[in-house]
Amino acid sequence: QVQLQESGPRLVKPAETLSLTCSVSGYSIKNGFYWGWIRQSPGQGLEWIGSMYHSGSSHYNASLKSRVTLSVDTSKNQFFLRLTSVTAADTAVYYCARDFSYAFDIWGQGTVVTVSS
Amino acid sequence: DIQMTQSPSTLSASVGDTVTITCRASRSISNWLAWYQQKPGKAPHLLIYKASSLESGVPSRFSGSVSGTEFTLTISSLQPDDFATYYCQHYDDYTWTFGQGTKVEI
Repeated sequence: QVQLQESGPRLVKPAETLSLTCSVSGYSIKNGFYWGWIRQSPGQGLEWIGSMYHSGSSHYNASLKSRVTLSVDTSKNQFFLRLTSVTAADTAVYYCARDFSYAFDIWGQGTVVTVSS
Repeated sequence: DIQMTQSPSTLSASVGDTVTITCRASRSISNWLAWYQQKPGKAPHLLIYKASSLESGVPSRFSGSVSGTEFTLTISSLQPDDFATYYCQHYDDYTWTFGQGTKVEI
């Protein structure tokens, strides 16, 4: 079955760049679908960060657009999140997910990222 | 931008109850509306997509409907496993937006 797994540093210093990888198994990214990143700050709701089509075209949450870049490596079946100039407000659980009919049907387990010096 | 207002924020119910959660859009929108269930420490789980389509494997006591700009998730005969937080999520013009969440508690 299709599985997604987030990976990356759990601790990032303020003003630095957060970089996460989503590894996909059981489905080839290049075959289609949008692939997205969603985060959840402690005790808060879900926030969409951005979504990327398998071809590489990306769309971002307007509130984060200036700091976010999504990319894909179809040869490794992975897609990536890069968030620059992080602050404590970026501390959250970060999820990657597959978009099916504009709904996220398969999610990774999530990875906790803490921004602290 | 479209604003999605989800209500209530908290809902107290008992096993066997029928509960409804609502997401209201700020203007007329398409039916690209999904509902998720999330339990503490877990990733969200898709229940309903395209406003009323039941995701495979989801019990039929979950249903979605739409009337104008108001989208509704109904849980019939609430089960102990259903006590969780529920989110709506809408898609429009390359933007995905989540509602604020509804905690269903005993």
